[in-house]
Amino acid sequence: NAGVTQTPKFRVLKTGQSMTLLCAQDMNHEYMYWYRQDPGMGLRLIHYSVGEGTTAKGEVPDGYNVSRLKKQNFLLGLESAAPSQTSVYFCASSKYSGSSYNEQFFGPGTRLTVL
Amino acid sequence: AQTVTQSQPEMSVQEAETVTLSCTYDTSESDYYLFWYKQPPSRQMILVIRQEAYKQQNATENRFSVNFQKAAKSFSLKISDSQLGDAAMYFCAFRDDKIIFGKGTRLHILP
Repeated sequence: NAGVTQTPKFRVLKTGQSMTLLCAQDMNHEYMYWYRQDPGMGLRLIHYSVGEGTTAKGEVPDGYNVSRLKKQNFLLGLESAAPSQTSVYFCASSKYSGSSYNEQFFGPGTRLTVL
Repeated sequence: AQTVTQSQPEMSVQEAETVTLSCTYDTSESDYYLFWYKQPPSRQMILVIRQEAYKQQNATENRFSVNFQKAAKSFSLKISDSQLGDAAMYFCAFRDDKIIFGKGTRLHILP
């Protein structure tokens, strides 16, 4: 059971380049999330998904797109990277909320630097 | 919109002593969940403790306990018998459909 994995772990981009971050989970979780973590800002939600084929905006969605074509994968795309997108990106997943609480399981993070 | 506030950016505690980290939140919901996560230098997010809003009893996990005051919208974390391995960033988080995090408190343990 690998839990939540993220690819790649590190990446350096030039301004204007594009890239896709991949998140995969093997726990059959319905919910998946993308966060960014910046110094002094905690974790801020970028986009999330409540199930295969559905996505929704979080707190800071501008400049990012996501797709959830398969239940186990959640992709985060940067079409034209900007230095302001330099950050550590975390993916997380959780079971369907329903009537019970569910913790989020986090991936190890991806450190992205945009020059 | 829900908000989570951690008013202490940094705290220090002597090893073996007790420390309390503060967290307040704002919501109009009545049914929700609250969490404390720990992030050590490895960056891995680790769940420390969780609390259901409908439960009046405060959650406890070994040396970690919470003081949940629903009316005051307060959710503080108490760490007893602090250990060097407790040094980390601690994030308070509120959940209904998605989780909203506070900005974190960096905890230093003094030997």
